[in-house]
Amino acid sequence: DAGVIQSPRHEVTEMGQEVTLRCKPISGHDYLFWYRQTMMRGLELLIYFNNNVPIDDSGMPEDRFSAKMPNASFSTLKIQPSEPRDSAVYFCASSRGLAGGKDIQYFGAGTRLSVL
Amino acid sequence: DAKTTQPNSMESNEEEPVHLPCNHSTISGTDYIHWYRQLPSQGPEYVIHGLTSNVNNRMASLAIAEDRKSSTLILHRATLRDAAVYYCINSGGGADGLTFGKGTHLIIQP
Repeated sequence: DAGVIQSPRHEVTEMGQEVTLRCKPISGHDYLFWYRQTMMRGLELLIYFNNNVPIDDSGMPEDRFSAKMPNASFSTLKIQPSEPRDSAVYFCASSRGLAGGKDIQYFGAGTRLSVL
Repeated sequence: DAKTTQPNSMESNEEEPVHLPCNHSTISGTDYIHWYRQLPSQGPEYVIHGLTSNVNNRMASLAIAEDRKSSTLILHRATLRDAAVYYCINSGGGADGLTFGKGTHLIIQP
């Protein structure tokens, strides 16, 4: 398997524009996670899905952020409108399960977002 | 907030063993101890995990205290490629187990 695939690797946009980040999880993994990493706040969980259904979105910063998982092999994280404070590296991860904490998360290479 | 405490940074010499500590005094009986590391400009990657017994794999060893309130990640022979931020996480399932703290920034000197 190619691992978790994220696109684009880098995104530069202007304030107010819509940004869409994409993720393809590892085949057979039932859980998908979106994280954001900044120097100030470290790595933060934004939302996670189980079998394409959002389970916990308490980490999503505000209504400008939305995430979808239309099928088992694709997820998007959308920011509309984008703001400079959204500049960060966004990671997608997937795992087989969550129960018992035995499962390993596999992370993508991340998308570095710069909002000017 | 993370349920674990780690030193902000550690420094070691190449080809020497490295012991990275983690305190998790509030760990529950069903929480696993996971270690991930993040190399520069990459996503976090899994290193090792365990519940009660010490664990070994090709990357590292995990030593878990008898009371499970602390653990140590052991890199037996550090290389420059091991320079990374190492995260210790307690995970018993649920989003609270997906909290990454600040981790330990490991510096390897040649």
